[in-house]
Amino acid sequence: GAVVSQHPSWVICKSGTSVKIECRSLDFQATTMFWYRQFPKQSLMLMATSNEGSKATYEQGVEKDKFLINHASLTLSTLTVTSAHPEDSSFYICGLAGDYNEQFFGPGTRLTVL
Amino acid sequence: AQKVTQAQTEISVVEKEDVTLDCVYETRDTTYYLFWYKQPPSGELVFLIRRNSFDEQNEISGRYSWNFQKSTSSFNFTITASQVVDSAVYFCALSEARDDYKLSFGAGTTVTVRA
Repeated sequence: GAVVSQHPSWVICKSGTSVKIECRSLDFQATTMFWYRQFPKQSLMLMATSNEGSKATYEQGVEKDKFLINHASLTLSTLTVTSAHPEDSSFYICGLAGDYNEQFFGPGTRLTVL
Repeated sequence: AQKVTQAQTEISVVEKEDVTLDCVYETRDTTYYLFWYKQPPSGELVFLIRRNSFDEQNEISGRYSWNFQKSTSSFNFTITASQVVDSAVYFCALSEARDDYKLSFGAGTTVTVRA
């Protein structure tokens, strides 16, 4: 399967700051990437679908001005959490779609907002 | 409405026991895919299997086996002779053609294998 990396693996920030999370596909050209959020002991919730060279598609209830997604190349998508607040603390996971509709996931980024 | 139901929240077994994880899905699509993923304590999701709606053949991979039954909309997963390393959260997921193949995850089942 595809190898996906995320950076940073964890981040602690103060309330009101912005945090950028990178998702890289190391061996696969990903036209579509996905961003998920996972709260403790809960399932993954899709936040948005990131398409290379075009605007991301956000799921209902996800603020696109707060969670900025950029998919500038076939190997990189970024998620920026703007003006982060403690309720944004979560585990953020990116995934990319493989050739057979499976998704391969990055190792995740744990965000803690103080 | 929940598309994927994993009724078992937690399962605890002793090493070498078999464990079966239930997954029931709901879709009106004729073309869809079902998946199982493992999430160990490290957090990284590991892809285990993909099955399309036209292939009801059961599959075995080492100690893992999957039973897909369209008649009951179920895609159950069995770990045979469980090991401590199998301890993880297991997610069943569905992707549908009508939804651009986005993944809908079940709530997950936490499996704890005790030595």
